[in-house]
Amino acid sequence: KAGVTQTPRYLIKTRGQQVTLSCSPISGHRSVSWYQQTPGQGLQFLFEYFSETQRNKGNFPGRFSGRQFSNSRSEMNVSTLELGDSALYLCASSFMGGRPLPHEQFFGPGTRLTVL
Amino acid sequence: QKEVEQDPGPLSVPEGAIVSLNCTYSNSAFQYFMWYRQYSRKGPELLMYTYSSGNKEDGRFTAQVDKSSKYISLFIRDSQPSDSATYLCAMSLNTGNQFYFGTGTSLTVIP
Repeated sequence: KAGVTQTPRYLIKTRGQQVTLSCSPISGHRSVSWYQQTPGQGLQFLFEYFSETQRNKGNFPGRFSGRQFSNSRSEMNVSTLELGDSALYLCASSFMGGRPLPHEQFFGPGTRLTVL
Repeated sequence: QKEVEQDPGPLSVPEGAIVSLNCTYSNSAFQYFMWYRQYSRKGPELLMYTYSSGNKEDGRFTAQVDKSSKYISLFIRDSQPSDSATYLCAMSLNTGNQFYFGTGTSLTVIP
């Protein structure tokens, strides 16, 4: 079974630009969560999508948004990029996501975003 | 104050040593406690999880949860160079799918 895939793996943008990251979950998984990972803050939860609906949202500004398609693939968008948005963006998929059964959440390799 | 605190290290030990990794937390409502391992340029992978308090052993790894002290630990026995990675603790409430992570501890096991 293929794992979680994320594209692109690396991205360089400049301040003020916007960016879209993509995540393809494991086949059959319906929940996709996004996280931002930085050395100082660690992994911080951005949002979770389940069956095309945003179900949970972390404490990030509205510049961060996402969506999920009917095939469970998910995209994350960051508008008006700031230097502090430089981070590793990880997505994780799980089958149901209704309960936090941790052995069901699988992470992708991440997209490394650098904002200059 | 962050909800989950973890000493970032780095931690360097000789092969065969016992490694102790720890996290503290502030939210007494956390019910699930996890340890993830993350190799360079990879996503985190689940090592162990525990529900509520107690110990759990899996091979060379032992996870301990002390809810009264809001303190969790991961012990690695007979550490190997292949254990060199960043170890992340994570916690979640009883419902929903939001995890709260520590910042990670970087571990190097020297042959």
